[in-house]
Amino acid sequence: DSGVTQTPKHLITATGQRVTLRCSPRSGDLSVYWYQQSLDQGLQFLIQYYNGEERAKGNILERFSAQQFPDLHSELNLSSLELGDSALYFCASSVAATPYEQYFGPGTRLTVT
Amino acid sequence: AQRVTQPEKLLSVFKGAPVELKCNYSYSGSPELFWYVQYSRQRLQLLLRHISRESIKGFTADLNKGETSFHLKKPFAQEEDSAMYYCALSGPPTSESASKIIFGSGTRLSIRP
Repeated sequence: DSGVTQTPKHLITATGQRVTLRCSPRSGDLSVYWYQQSLDQGLQFLIQYYNGEERAKGNILERFSAQQFPDLHSELNLSSLELGDSALYFCASSVAATPYEQYFGPGTRLTVT
Repeated sequence: AQRVTQPEKLLSVFKGAPVELKCNYSYSGSPELFWYVQYSRQRLQLLLRHISRESIKGFTADLNKGETSFHLKKPFAQEEDSAMYYCALSGPPTSESASKIIFGSGTRLSIRP
């Protein structure tokens, strides 16, 4: 698959736990974006990395962190999980530093029980 | 405050009828505006961007700065247009908010045969 890939597809965990979501961008894309989609908040931008460096931050909680590795894949770490963190987490990628032509992954559905 | 409003959660029209999905925005300055679409069991994808002025799959969107609107239109709806549509905005390319895309809550378009 030459598109954006995300693993795992589904994740069920308990409150207080920590999880890591993984995203591999399209070949050649340097930017990775993370989004959270929940019923009450809708689709929200969390954070962007461009070529390994953090470029922009949105509504990302302090309990959440991300990084982009030299091979350009990215991981989103969610810690001290709460019930309200249950959501669909999307990753997107683009060639440029702006998201104007971004491509989305299939998402990871996180359920916190 | 920067905001995107899609007043209709659901829009149902007959095949062949005109479609208009409403989007109003609030932004200080000149934003970049987008429409994204998510078909059933598919990824979120960019439908069109206001600056490109293209017609994609028969859809067009006109930016009205006076009314701060960016409504999506199609003269004759087709069954394959049934999907979830999101209006979104971000800052201009050189701004700090270029990457901070703000999405509306989405409108589900249902085309009746």
